[in-house]
Amino acid sequence: GENVEQHPSTLSVQEGDSAVIKCTYSDSASNYFPWYKQELGKRPQLIIDIRSNVGEKKDQRIAVTLNKTAKHFSLHITETQPEDSAVYFCAASRPRAGNMLTFGGGTRLMVKP
Amino acid sequence: ETGVTQSPTHLIKTRGQQVTLRCSSQSGHNTVSWYQQALGQGPQFIFQYYREEENGRGNFPPRFSGLQFPNYSSELNVNALELDDSALYLCASSPRTSGSYEQFFGPGTRLTVL
Repeated sequence: GENVEQHPSTLSVQEGDSAVIKCTYSDSASNYFPWYKQELGKRPQLIIDIRSNVGEKKDQRIAVTLNKTAKHFSLHITETQPEDSAVYFCAASRPRAGNMLTFGGGTRLMVKP
Repeated sequence: ETGVTQSPTHLIKTRGQQVTLRCSSQSGHNTVSWYQQALGQGPQFIFQYYREEENGRGNFPPRFSGLQFPNYSSELNVNALELDDSALYLCASSPRTSGSYEQFFGPGTRLTVL
């Protein structure tokens, strides 16, 4: 089955700096890669996703890049703000898999004011 | 349009007991997935229901079972509870339409097994 590895497990940045979180996946058939943000005690919220037919997607301060050959994808957050502090999870799923997601282990991002 | 809801919010059980968790999917969504999130870890896929049938299953033993009802709401049942079953149980709903990938998560049920 699919295996998703996520690094780093914790990341501390200064407000205004950029943050990068990286994930690798094992199943070359995976074609959907979402990123979720989970604040303490709250539900995971989708912040951005990418499908395997594109290499990059951007939404304001957040961008995701995908390298299908290397089987890795990354989340980039620019101009970080204290409210970006949370745990971020990457995930992957295969086509026609009914949106069954395999998650990475999570990255705790701390943005220091 | 209402979001995904789950009940109860918190639950404390003892080893060997049975538990039922409930999930109401978002309006218009016919697929429900259940995930187990242990403390400090990413969610792990348990199983998914579509049209009242199990549509896929992760690496969980048969004592984890579920149901989906005609209104698309769902239940997760766990028998013979073990200490390691202590976790946040999340359900997520999604529309089963071509090209629709996003899953919408509920707030979760925190299960503690003593």
